[in-house]
Amino acid sequence: AQSVTQLDSHVSVSEGTPVLLRCNYSSSYSPSLFWYVQHPNKGLQLLLKYTSAATLVKGINGFEAEFKKSETSFHLTKPSAHMSDAAEYFCVVSDRSYGGSQGNLIFGKGTKLSVKP
Amino acid sequence: DTAVSQTPKYLVTQMGNDKSIKCEQNLGHDTMYWYKQDSKKFLKIMFSYNNKELIINETVPNRFSPKSPDKAHLNLHINSLELGDSAVYFCASSPTKDRGGNQPQHFGDGTRLSIL
Repeated sequence: AQSVTQLDSHVSVSEGTPVLLRCNYSSSYSPSLFWYVQHPNKGLQLLLKYTSAATLVKGINGFEAEFKKSETSFHLTKPSAHMSDAAEYFCVVSDRSYGGSQGNLIFGKGTKLSVKP
Repeated sequence: DTAVSQTPKYLVTQMGNDKSIKCEQNLGHDTMYWYKQDSKKFLKIMFSYNNKELIINETVPNRFSPKSPDKAHLNLHINSLELGDSAVYFCASSPTKDRGGNQPQHFGDGTRLSIL
């Protein structure tokens, strides 16, 4: 079965400093991995996705993530945080197990990013 | 030009009532989903549906039922509401029931359901 573990429930950074949100995955298959962001009282917006092409994936708003198979990790980074980046971030794996649940998304528990001025 | 829209945005009702949440997507997608987000922000799939196949998460009580009048709509009907149903419910859609798992899903803004 697929699963994702977000290692930090809360990360706090100062504006202009780098952001690192950590995610480890577990999958018996070659995974499809995503990062979604949720701003307060909003739905989820796709930041980026990995689907077995380039291991370094660039997303929107300056975010990127690197797929490392040897470490089973898919950490999200940004060189310089902005106040508008404060939100909840979800690491997600697509269920590729056999059966009807294929294609369903399996969410991590989320990391709340706070950005201090 | 909202891609996935849900109504209502907020729903406050009493225990025991029956309620529906509507979802519409204008993306031309074939597959729609319902997710539940609990108070700790944890998201879990409830249903996935296209015009051929309804997949129900086995943990979802049968008081919850999706209804799809056409492929652009997937409404969620809830019978006999309970306190534990208080949560945010998200609708989403994707182009196909993608067995490869490559297609991202597009989400609505959520419906905040509070049971008194």
